[in-house]
Amino acid sequence: DSGVTQTPKHLITATGQRVTLRCSPRSGDLSVYWYQQSLDQGLQFLIQYYNGEERAKGNILERFSAQQFPDLHSELNLSSLELGDSALYFCASSVPAGELFFGEGSRLTVL
Amino acid sequence: GENVEQHPSTLSVQEGDSAVIKCTYSDSASNYFPWYKQELGKGPQLIIDIRSNVGEKKDQRIAVTLNKTAKHFSLHITETQPEDSAVYFCAPRKGYSTLTFGKGTMLLVSP
Repeated sequence: DSGVTQTPKHLITATGQRVTLRCSPRSGDLSVYWYQQSLDQGLQFLIQYYNGEERAKGNILERFSAQQFPDLHSELNLSSLELGDSALYFCASSVPAGELFFGEGSRLTVL
Repeated sequence: GENVEQHPSTLSVQEGDSAVIKCTYSDSASNYFPWYKQELGKGPQLIIDIRSNVGEKKDQRIAVTLNKTAKHFSLHITETQPEDSAVYFCAPRKGYSTLTFGKGTMLLVSP
């Protein structure tokens, strides 16, 4: 158990809909990262937050947004969903420049 | 940004054989070189890492070697076991930047 909790584990929705994925980091970790994993693209970095502030941005679409709350949990919002957004979404947490601890992921299926 | 390539993309070995996975990176300023293991249905987990001031590091059956001049580092697994079957990712990093993951190597160890 990495200590990182992600919900929901599975989500099935339709094109055009909006979903929210939730992540609770390990106790004491201030950094939260979101990654997208699809079969042909590997692990793609989306965005990082540190203590509530956006720290780095990767290949995150404009239809996607995230935030980190004062209690350090984070949410990834995906809107106007397309078939190609179907993927595993991972959250990870760490101390600065430390090892990343990953959750077990949220599998999103867009039909 | 960092370009990361892993080879091979798939590797099949017999139990007891050795396995080597190579990771090539582009940013000569990278100074942290981890390997993550992802088992089916789980998030990636750090298995070994090395920093740029060290050429080799071992932990029981696994080792990582670094060639900074050639900009590559490799994961070595000896006496492979079926439980080593997983996808392995390299993820070089510079300073406090985010990890850039390779596309992964699927290792299959046959009994």
